[in-house]
Formats: sequence, C-alpha cells, structure tokens
Amino acid sequence: AQTVTQSQPEMSVQEAETVTLSCTYDTSESDYYLFWYKQPPSRQMILVIRQEAYKQQNATENRFSVNFQKAAKSFSLKISDSQLGDAAMYFCAYRSNTKAAGNKLTFGGGTRVLVKP
Amino acid sequence: EPEVTQTPSHQVTQMGQEVILRCVPISNHLYFYWYRQILGQKVEFLVSFYNNEISEKSEIFDDQFSVERPDGSNFTLKIRSTKLEDSAMYFCASLRGLQETQYFGPGTRLLVL
Repeated sequence: AQTVTQSQPEMSVQEAETVTLSCTYDTSESDYYLFWYKQPPSRQMILVIRQEAYKQQNATENRFSVNFQKAAKSFSLKISDSQLGDAAMYFCAYRSNTKAAGNKLTFGGGTRVLVKP
Repeated sequence: EPEVTQTPSHQVTQMGQEVILRCVPISNHLYFYWYRQILGQKVEFLVSFYNNEISEKSEIFDDQFSVERPDGSNFTLKIRSTKLEDSAMYFCASLRGLQETQYFGPGTRLLVL
C-alpha cells in the first residue's frame, strides 16, 4: 500500500517570504499523480497544485510550485511571496493511475502553515 | 464554476442513531468518493463509487456504512448505528475521469454524543 509522509507538523513564515513544505511517499508504481491540498480553518479541501509522475517538468500555479524528485519519491511545495491568506493546513496526496489499484487519494498527515505579518 | 455540495453542514446525533449525509457531485462527473477526517488527523478514504456500485472501500467502511446514488444527482452516505468514534468531518468528492482531479465538497461535520 502507498504511504505519504509529511515530516513537518508546522511551519512558520514571514509575510512576503518563501516557505517549503516537504512530502515523501512510498510506492512501487511508476504511473501516479501527486497533489497538494490546502485546508483553511473552514476545513474545506482546496486543490493547490497537481503533478503527473510521467512529467519531468515541475508544476507551477502562480505563487505555488513543486519540486518533484521521482527517484527520491519526494514532492515538496514552495509557497513564494507568502500572504496571510496562505495560512492553513496543507496536505500532500497520492493517487495511483493504475486502474486495478483504484483511484482513491492517500493523504499525508498535514503541515500547518502559519504566516506572520 | 460547478462545485460539489454537501448537506447538512453540521449534524449532531445520539449514539446508536442512523444518519444520512448527502452530497450532490458535479453534474458531469462519474466517480464519487467519501472521505473522513477525525479532528486533528489526516483525511482517510472510505469508499469509491462508479457505475452504480462500490468500486473500492477501506477497512473503515464496515457493515455500518452504506452508500447510494438514489437518483441522477445525489450521492449519500448512511451510517446505520453511529458510534462516538464516528465523530468526524465527512467529505464527498467527485471526479469526471481517471485522468482528472478530484473536487471536494465543503464537508459535513458529524458529532455523535
């Protein structure tokens, strides 16, 4: 079974600075997707960014970018120019692209991001 | 922009009672999911549903749980006899195709007393 690990329970960043969240995963598959979801205090799950494992290019979405290292099974999220609205819980998630394996999301334990004004 | 909706937003129930959590997935989506998140913990997969049947379920999804798509729009999760440990946030999600992204509803916060 796949596992996703987020080793940082909490990260603090100054407004306008950059913070990087770590995520590692364990899988024997080669075809899969990785995601970062944001969960603000409302507890809504909001997609931040997605990466296809077959793509070598790292995904970016405005101030959010990832560093995907397939061989190392690492998928970190960088938030640049941090804003107060970025304060939330961030979850890394894995999804197999093998039909037999199903397409559920497997989540890490989350990293709480605090943004200091 | 289309979104997944869930009702109720909050539900309080007594232990042993049945609850039904409702979801309306995005209209052209074909795959449906329930996840739960106990307070302070990670989000856990419960069940996936496709073509009017369960396609996968976790070990959490025991005989007390059931899912149904009673019409073309609703997707429900029923807990037959709630336990204290069922207190959690329950998220519905839907997916158009296997290459796509799952979109989550806002969740139902269930409290079992």
